[in-house]
Amino acid sequence: EVQLVESGGGLVQPGGSLRLSCAASGFTFSSYWMHWVRQAPGKGLMWVSRISGDGSDTAYEESVKGRFTISRDNAKNTVYLQMNSLRAEDTGVYSCALPARGGKAWFDPWGQGTLVTVSS
Amino acid sequence: DVQLTQSPSSLSASVGDRVTFTCRASQSISSYLNWYQQKPGKAPTLLIYVASNLQSGVPARFSGSGSGTDFTLTISSLQPEDFATYYCQQIYFTPITFGQGTRLEIK
Repeated sequence: EVQLVESGGGLVQPGGSLRLSCAASGFTFSSYWMHWVRQAPGKGLMWVSRISGDGSDTAYEESVKGRFTISRDNAKNTVYLQMNSLRAEDTGVYSCALPARGGKAWFDPWGQGTLVTVSS
Repeated sequence: DVQLTQSPSSLSASVGDRVTFTCRASQSISSYLNWYQQKPGKAPTLLIYVASNLQSGVPARFSGSGSGTDFTLTISSLQPEDFATYYCQQIYFTPITFGQGTRLEIK
């Protein structure tokens, strides 16, 4: 069974940093791209970032470009999201998601998410 | 970026009703449109992928159609467990984008 478990969320002041982790199991981790998606409280879904299976190819949503860095450790079956220069509008639940295949693919499953709150 | 506009934003319906949601893309995305269901406090779950393909384990009362810029999700006979928020997602262009969601409520 595929499982995705996020951790690392918490309360951080504006301008601060956090590193989120997503531990994966139940599939050949290094063969799959991985994605991060954010959901602000009471709001919709926003794609944040993705990384290729070998970590060589990444992409970001414009509002986080230059502040967030996605990475992975295939030996630990874990994908990370390093978040710097955090802003109040970065508040939300961050979930990792597994695309069904390479290329243009739907997300299944999603992790339950970890809550990031940016506030003074 | 591709904007996805879902309508309606919310909908009240009764058990047994047939309901249809729409998702309109700001430019053609071929058939690369997916639908998800999200219940409060839970992660989204995949219903339909690539416009019309029913995800394994999803009841057959869910169906999807469309291509290009206009897509629909239909629930043929609402069940109590279907009351949730529904999101469309395009995966044709980067950045991947989502619609704002349609909240389905019990009448």
